[in-house]
Amino acid sequence: EAGVAQSPRYKIIEKRQSVAFWCNPISGHATLYWYQQILGQGPKLLIQFQNNGVVDDSQLPKDRFSAERLKGVDSTLKIQPAKLEDSAVYLCASSLRGDSYNEQFFGPGTRLTVL
Amino acid sequence: AQSVAQPEDQVNVAEGNPLTVKCTYSVSGNPYLFWYVQYPNRGLQFLLKYITGDNLVKGSYGFEAEFNKSQTSFHLKKPSALVSDSALYFCAVRDIPAAGNKLTFGGGTRVLVKP
Repeated sequence: EAGVAQSPRYKIIEKRQSVAFWCNPISGHATLYWYQQILGQGPKLLIQFQNNGVVDDSQLPKDRFSAERLKGVDSTLKIQPAKLEDSAVYLCASSLRGDSYNEQFFGPGTRLTVL
Repeated sequence: AQSVAQPEDQVNVAEGNPLTVKCTYSVSGNPYLFWYVQYPNRGLQFLLKYITGDNLVKGSYGFEAEFNKSQTSFHLKKPSALVSDSALYFCAVRDIPAAGNKLTFGGGTRVLVKP
């Protein structure tokens, strides 16, 4: 079974530039998550989708971050414009459903460096 | 609000010795508890979870964890550590019922197993 795919793996941009990350979840997984992991910290949930609807985006900085999952499969996370403090690893995860007891499966992440 | 604490930034252990990684949690209701491991430049991998039932949970790679409700702890254990167990370990909790079904991670504990 293929895992969660993410691209690119690494990205270096200058502040105020835009960047987009792509995620393809495990086939059949209805729930998709985007996390931000700052160096030395645990992952922090940015947004959760159930199929193509948003379940939780309470910690997404909506003035600069946006995400979509138009067909209920793959997803894109965008930052526009980027700030220095956005430097982090962005992790995508998926689960079969959004139930509390389902474990999440994580992709390898995209390491973003903002200069 | 739910929270997780991993009091040790790093745990050093000799190969063949028992390994313990500590985790305590705070929730308003009942918890679902998870352990994940992260190897360098890779996403998080699920190790085990506590949902209900037996307080001792067995997971992947010989790891186990004990749920202790009175001490609000969920420590990860392995009877005999391997050098390949060197990695970053994260404890995570979901409060039940939880608004938004959000998973909250601890700050992580780095495990170093020396030959």
